[in-house]
Amino acid sequence: SYEVTQPLSVSVPLGQTARITCGGNKIGGKNVHWYQQKPGQAPVMVIYRDKNRPSGIPERFSGSNSGNTATLTISGAQAGDEADYFCQVWDSITVVFGGGTKLTVL
Amino acid sequence: QLQLQASGPGAVKPSETLSLTCSVSGGSIYGSYYYWAWIRQPPGRGLEWIGSIFYSGNTYYNPSLKSRVTISVDTSKNQFSLRLNSVTAADTAVYYCARRMPSDRAFDIWGQGTMVTVSS
Repeated sequence: SYEVTQPLSVSVPLGQTARITCGGNKIGGKNVHWYQQKPGQAPVMVIYRDKNRPSGIPERFSGSNSGNTATLTISGAQAGDEADYFCQVWDSITVVFGGGTKLTVL
Repeated sequence: QLQLQASGPGAVKPSETLSLTCSVSGGSIYGSYYYWAWIRQPPGRGLEWIGSIFYSGNTYYNPSLKSRVTISVDTSKNQFSLRLNSVTAADTAVYYCARRMPSDRAFDIWGQGTMVTVSS
């Protein structure tokens, strides 16, 4: 079965750029989606199909996907961006989530 | 605006069946091109997809849970449901219902989640 790997944690100084990776074999050939989850809340989609932002998601959230790594980039990270972030792909007929990355804004 | 609301017992005994319902408001399940999904999250852990259903009743299940899971849809009530048999403590989790985009296969709308504890 297909697996995707995320770092457990990423830290970023306030106002700087955070990059959260999602690794998988030839993941560049798949559509990658990203979700933000704050404590006690349901996940919220922040990027779909590698680099597309849903309505209402700030422009500072962007995504890329190539080779064996997909990346969620948060430019000018704010305190409110502190959360868990999960990547997700579709493999065959099943859904695969990454284990999640805790983003800390220092 | 479309909203999803999961509901059901907050506690289930080991070996029994977990049953949850997701009520959809602000839009119709019938005739839509979306799939409707159940996703769970054990305390302090990541997300696990359980399965998805189309309004016609077509289903896809996580292979690791397939033998114990049934997802059904009731378009007359605008609801879809989850049944998970033979539960153990490992099934303790927050259970979310969500809408899956038809072509991108991302989950664009989520319900608030309901906590289910498996304990005797």
